[in-house]
Amino acid sequence: QLQLQESGPGLVKPSETLSLTCTVSGGSISSSSYYWGWIRQPPGKGLEWIATIYDSGSTYYNSSLKSRVTISVDTSKTQFSLKLSSVTAADTAVYYCARDLTYGPSGGRAFDIWGQGTLVTVSS
Amino acid sequence: DIQMTQSPSTLSASVGDRVTITCRASQSISSWLAWYQQKPGKAPKLLIYKASSLESGVPSRFSGSGSGTEFTLTISSLQPDDFATYYCQQCNFYWTFGQGTKVEIK
Repeated sequence: QLQLQESGPGLVKPSETLSLTCTVSGGSISSSSYYWGWIRQPPGKGLEWIATIYDSGSTYYNSSLKSRVTISVDTSKTQFSLKLSSVTAADTAVYYCARDLTYGPSGGRAFDIWGQGTLVTVSS
Repeated sequence: DIQMTQSPSTLSASVGDRVTITCRASQSISSWLAWYQQKPGKAPKLLIYKASSLESGVPSRFSGSGSGTEFTLTISSLQPDDFATYYCQQCNFYWTFGQGTKVEIK
């Protein structure tokens, strides 16, 4: 059973860089059917997609965050990571990593497996 | 960017009710739409992909329909476990979530 687990500091100072890692266990990170993504949820608010990466290294970013975000993948460690620079209090959120599964050539796609989420607070 | 708008934002219903949530896209997304259920303190759970395909293990009382710009999620007979917040998400061009619909007890 594939599982995802987020890890990283729970507290980040304003203007610094938030760094999170998602470890994939119980399965492969490399497949033509998988993309890997980060989604966040500020306290009491809705979900916001941040970034997605394919194991080939192709990356996709939310236009509102693109200038501050970097997503990367390390297939040897079955991990993918998120860096968000110049953080402010508005970046306080639960950060989720998730697998984006493609259900065949025309079968649609969705985030089918999620990590439990990790709360990151931006505060001095 | 594609915007997703859900309605209503909050829905009050009773066990056994038929519940419908609507999601509208700012431009056509074909059938590239998914629905998720989220309970407090938990990660979202995938219910529906490709607008109407039921994810494995999801009860058949959940169904999805629509294409283009208008989509619906229907719960045929609301159960106690279904009180939660529901999100739609487009994946036609990048990824965007709706703002969510909270289904609460009437």
